[in-house]
Amino acid sequence: NAGVTQTPKFRILKIGQSMTLQCTQDMNHNYMYWYRQDPGMGLKLIYYSVGAGITDKGEVPNGYNVSRSTTEDFPLRLELAAPSQTSVYFCASSRALGQPQHFGDGTRLSIL
Amino acid sequence: AQSVAQPEDQVNVAEGNPLTVKCTYSVSGNPYLFWYVQYPNRGLQFLLKYITGDNLVKGSYGFEAEFNKSQTSFHLKKPSALVSDSALYFCAVREAGGYNKLIFGAGTRLAVHP
Repeated sequence: NAGVTQTPKFRILKIGQSMTLQCTQDMNHNYMYWYRQDPGMGLKLIYYSVGAGITDKGEVPNGYNVSRSTTEDFPLRLELAAPSQTSVYFCASSRALGQPQHFGDGTRLSIL
Repeated sequence: AQSVAQPEDQVNVAEGNPLTVKCTYSVSGNPYLFWYVQYPNRGLQFLLKYITGDNLVKGSYGFEAEFNKSQTSFHLKKPSALVSDSALYFCAVREAGGYNKLIFGAGTRLAVHP
């Protein structure tokens, strides 16, 4: 039972480069989320999805894009990497309203 | 505006002693409250939740939390701390309006000393 899987685990980007952070879940959850975690700041919601084809912005969406073509996958795209996007990114999913979110182990991204 | 506050950056406790990690919240309507734990280089793991019912909620690994509506608090507790409980703990509240979005506190680092 894999749960939520994120790839890659680590990545170093140069300013201006682009990349896609992958997230897949095998629990058939409708709700999926992308967060970033910065030291001392807790987790901030970037984007979320309530089902295939439906996405919406969270608290800190600038500089990011998402898509949700299937129930399982919810990739996060960085188009023009900036040093402010250096962070740890977590993907999560949940089955229904009121149910806990299940988290992947994160992608540690450094932009130099 | 909805928010979660964890007033302590770090809590230090001796092994075998009881521990408390504090959380207060501000929401409109009835709160859905959660505690998560994060070990180094890992994602968040769910510990327990309060939606309705008994004010004392029991969760994983011997943890429990007490919901207090008048004080708008949801403190995490454990009767006897273990060194292996040392980790980063997050309190979260479900945002009003559906979609199961969570608002997280800044986190409290728990250090349990032998």
